[in-house]
Amino acid sequence: DVKVTQSSRYLVKRTGEKVFLECVQDMDHENMFWYRQDPGLGLRLIYFSYDVKMKEKGDIPEGYSVSREKKERFSLILESASTNQTSMYLCASSLNPLLAGGSANTGELFFGEGSRLTVL
Amino acid sequence: GQQLNQSPQSMFIQEGEDVSMNCTSSSIFNTWLWYKQDPGEGPVLLIALYKAGELTSNGRLTAQFGITRKDSFLNISASIPSDVGIYFCAGRKGQGAQKLVFGQGTRLTINP
Repeated sequence: DVKVTQSSRYLVKRTGEKVFLECVQDMDHENMFWYRQDPGLGLRLIYFSYDVKMKEKGDIPEGYSVSREKKERFSLILESASTNQTSMYLCASSLNPLLAGGSANTGELFFGEGSRLTVL
Repeated sequence: GQQLNQSPQSMFIQEGEDVSMNCTSSSIFNTWLWYKQDPGEGPVLLIALYKAGELTSNGRLTAQFGITRKDSFLNISASIPSDVGIYFCAGRKGQGAQKLVFGQGTRLTINP
């Protein structure tokens, strides 16, 4: 069974602290994603990575950075947490449709359980 | 960034009622996906649609890929308490597109 595991379900941090959110997938997926989820705004993409050491900004990258040193692990970093970064953070992974021969039925995201971060 | 327009934002229904929700976009998508998120969990894929006009069922759930490729619908028949949650639509623009675009979600509440 496919599995995306996020290291912390709940975190409480103080303004200015450095925060690491870890995500590991066991499906050998090329792509990994970090989203944040806020009421009424749905899922917004922060960063994604399509290969080891590769990363691309999503729609709301400001205040975040990421690290992908190994294929199975994708970390989200808040260098200096702020109260407006209080949110639910969701990690996801997927196959790369191009590497799968362009088959239509790839690219579905598999999500972790989420990490709810509160910044005081 | 672009988002899909999903409606309604919330629904309050009685157990046993049917549910309909939809997603629209000004752009064409090649793939439409519907996810459900249970309280406190991550979203889980319910149905994937790959062809314009496609109608696919998964138990009591039925989803359709709009013929214009700019919309999709999800119907739930005879709702039960475990249907409670947030439903998200998501679209992928090209066969090789790596990213999905998500709707804002529909929060479903069921009164027993």
